[in-house]
Amino acid sequence: DGGITQSPKYLFRKEGQNVTLSCEQNLNHDAMYWYRQDPGQGLRLIYYSQIVNDFQKGDIAEGYSVSREKKESFPLTVTSAQKNPTAFYLCASCIVLLAGETQYFGPGTRLLVL
Amino acid sequence: DAKTTQPNSMESNEEEPVHLPCNHSTISGTDYIHWYRQLPSQGPEYVIHGLTSNVNNRMASLAIAEDRKSSTLILHRATLRDAAVYYCILREGGGADGLTFGKGTHLIIQP
Repeated sequence: DGGITQSPKYLFRKEGQNVTLSCEQNLNHDAMYWYRQDPGQGLRLIYYSQIVNDFQKGDIAEGYSVSREKKESFPLTVTSAQKNPTAFYLCASCIVLLAGETQYFGPGTRLLVL
Repeated sequence: DAKTTQPNSMESNEEEPVHLPCNHSTISGTDYIHWYRQLPSQGPEYVIHGLTSNVNNRMASLAIAEDRKSSTLILHRATLRDAAVYYCILREGGGADGLTFGKGTHLIIQP
């Protein structure tokens, strides 16, 4: 089945530790995105990538890093510089076309700080 | 990005139609109107989108005002599985930037 997978479903981070969230898609989509969602809030954009080996900062990129070495994969690293990382993290992808293309979302990873 | 305004919450009865409003008075000519919904503890899922004309698909209908400053998502016969947060989002045609989510409308379905 085609889709987006995120792992793990739950992730625990200790103070001062970097953690990496995985996002893989087999939809052959060009663009991939990372969002953060806090309780009762909408999603906020962290980073996005429209093509392999290129990515742009979103609205809340501080304390996060990404890479896009392969079209199918867009891992997100939450660094120790992110002081409040507890949140629900969502990955998405879409085809880059000319007319209002839709995004497809993964199931999310919930990150908790110990 | 042009902003959208939605009611915080709405309540409806099962098997009745639901009309979810969205105001977007600063919409530009190239902005598409997208609707996504998010069930509890899940990622958002696409519902429908349109530019100027009304749109129908298997999930819902989208009614767009003639001046495009507002739109309405219509669920023709709500079920308990439609209980979710519904987001109305403007997205520029041809753009690959991220989506800008507001708080959306929390739809409650009563049995």
